[in-house]
Amino acid sequence: QITLKESGPTLVKPTQTLTLTCTLSGFSVSTSEVSVGWIRQPPGKALEWLALISWDDSQRYSPSLRSRLTITKDTSKNQVVLTMSNMDPEDTATYYCARRPLRSPFDYWGLGTLVTVSS
Amino acid sequence: DIVLTQSPDSLAVSLGERATIKCRSSQSVLYIANKENFLAWYQCKPGQPPRLLMSGATTREFGVPDRFTGSASGTDFTLTISGLQAEDVAVYFCHQYFNPPYTFGQGTKLEIK
Repeated sequence: QITLKESGPTLVKPTQTLTLTCTLSGFSVSTSEVSVGWIRQPPGKALEWLALISWDDSQRYSPSLRSRLTITKDTSKNQVVLTMSNMDPEDTATYYCARRPLRSPFDYWGLGTLVTVSS
Repeated sequence: DIVLTQSPDSLAVSLGERATIKCRSSQSVLYIANKENFLAWYQCKPGQPPRLLMSGATTREFGVPDRFTGSASGTDFTLTISGLQAEDVAVYFCHQYFNPPYTFGQGTKLEIK
């Protein structure tokens, strides 16, 4: 059974760095032709893709957020980690991690974690 | 960036009737090698992760009722829900996975009239 689970702080202060972890089950972070991405959704707003890391360690980022994002994977823990620096109240959103097979859309998603940015 | 524009932003449809949601892409998302449009549809309900309904613009995912149908014409895509049921109330997003940045439409809120 394939599952993904996001974890991290629910509240961060402006200017702080957010670190979110996605723990995978039912597939490996090194599975060939599989990537894991992060997508967020501010309350009442649209989905926004943030970053993607692939089986071969290649990374892709949203150009508008590239300077603030880092995505990595920990093969030993079967986890994908996203860091976002210089958090702002506008970054308040539910953050999802999701699996993306090659040449396919995001198919399995975590339940998401709501991150609020407030002083 | 590929911009996806959905219409309408919201619609209300009577139970049992048809709902039609459109998504226009600013560029082709056609993968030439297999002639597949890299366009997906998601259903979003409060407190739940997005549910993948359709991939390749027209391929229904496993377990998705056959009242959901996807179609494509060039860079115009349509999600049709025939015989609307109460459980279909949600926000629907189109999504292109053709080129990064992988973008989503702004969403269409579907309600019962």
